[in-house]
Amino acid sequence: ELKVEQNPLFLSMQEGKNYTIYCNYSTTSDRLYWYRQDPGKSLESLFVLLSNGAVKQEGRLMASLDTKARLSTLHITAAVHDLSATYFCAVDMDSNYQLIWGAGTKLIIKP
Amino acid sequence: GAVVSQHPSRVICKSGTSVKIECRSLDFQATTMFWYRQFPKQSLMLMATSNEGSKATYEQGVEKDKFLINHASLTLSTLTVTSAHPEDSSFYICSARSVSGTRVYNEQFFGPGTRLTVL
Repeated sequence: ELKVEQNPLFLSMQEGKNYTIYCNYSTTSDRLYWYRQDPGKSLESLFVLLSNGAVKQEGRLMASLDTKARLSTLHITAAVHDLSATYFCAVDMDSNYQLIWGAGTKLIIKP
Repeated sequence: GAVVSQHPSRVICKSGTSVKIECRSLDFQATTMFWYRQFPKQSLMLMATSNEGSKATYEQGVEKDKFLINHASLTLSTLTVTSAHPEDSSFYICSARSVSGTRVYNEQFFGPGTRLTVL
């Protein structure tokens, strides 16, 4: 059974600091997604990682994928309050196109 | 591109009534759509996979007679919550899987969600 584990589940940090959210998964997969969810809203796609070693950056967020270690990271650089949200990673199940979801990381960035 | 709409965005209904939620892919064709349910402060829970022209595949524990899914075209899937009860109150999100013409083959694109409150 494919499992996706995120940690931490909750993160409170100060503006200007750096931090990393980790996403481990339990079986082979070539596609991993990161999403952002604001309270009361649906999911916003942040990154699609398609191969081992993939690294993508958008503003203060950078995501990477190590398929051998079955690990993806979402790194936040010099956090700002606007990045406060819940972040989910999800792994693609090729066999039936379903996504297996992490539990989400609630990120609070204090001014 | 790759926009998914949901309607309504919010609905309040009385216990015992049925509610229909529509999910549309606006600028791409989606042979597969997914319906999720999300409880407060939790992750997404897949309810069912909807394939155009065939019966939906429901996840374990999801009542197919209560949550009726129809995927009549390549751009529209509907979820009907029949005889709704307060415990059905939740945030329902659909997604549509791209098959061509979008940035990533097989990527899912999410609708804005429907907040259902059953009184």
